[in-house]
Amino acid sequence: GQQVMQIPQYQHVQEGEDFTTYCNSSTTLSNIQWYKQRPGGHPVFLIQLVKSGEVKKQKRLTFQFGEAKKNSSLHITATQTTDVGTYFCAGMDSSYKLIFGSGTRLLVRP
Amino acid sequence: DGGITQSPKYLFRKEGQNVTLSCEQNLNHDAMYWYRQDPGQGLRLIYYSQIVNDFQKGDIAEGYSVSREKKESFPLTVTSAQKNPTAFYLCASRLQGLAIAFFGQGTRLTVV
Repeated sequence: GQQVMQIPQYQHVQEGEDFTTYCNSSTTLSNIQWYKQRPGGHPVFLIQLVKSGEVKKQKRLTFQFGEAKKNSSLHITATQTTDVGTYFCAGMDSSYKLIFGSGTRLLVRP
Repeated sequence: DGGITQSPKYLFRKEGQNVTLSCEQNLNHDAMYWYRQDPGQGLRLIYYSQIVNDFQKGDIAEGYSVSREKKESFPLTVTSAQKNPTAFYLCASRLQGLAIAFFGQGTRLTVV
């Protein structure tokens, strides 16, 4: 079955440093979503990428979908303490099973 | 006020007892999902349903059961057969044709 892997598992950065998490799928994805889960909270949708090579920006966050539609990345420029949380990517297979990556936990030192 | 509601937020049960977690949505979403999250871990799919009266097993269905008698409701029963039931359980829903999932607040189940 489809598997979605994310690296790194943890990232501890100084406030102001950049952060990147990478997502890799074992199969080609029709689209990919990114979610953020704050400590103690539930995942909240951030963005969806659909097209091969697509790049989308939300303020300091840049999302990219790979040309082969099997990988994606999320880059945060100049992290802030409000960026703390776990970032998940997610993809859907042909049977509508929504599979989440293992997540990258971001910790930011003030 | 539209959304997806999970209740209760915290639940304690004795080992060997079945327990049912509630998930209700008034978003008119077709698909609903149950995930399990252990501390510091990702989301693992337990069961999902695309339409009423139909559901499929996810990756960790053993020891769990679900029903989908109404579009709005997708309750999850954690049975005594589940070896390590203590976890954070998240319910999500999705509109057919869109991949975006909306999550409930989650239920933290502790079995002692």
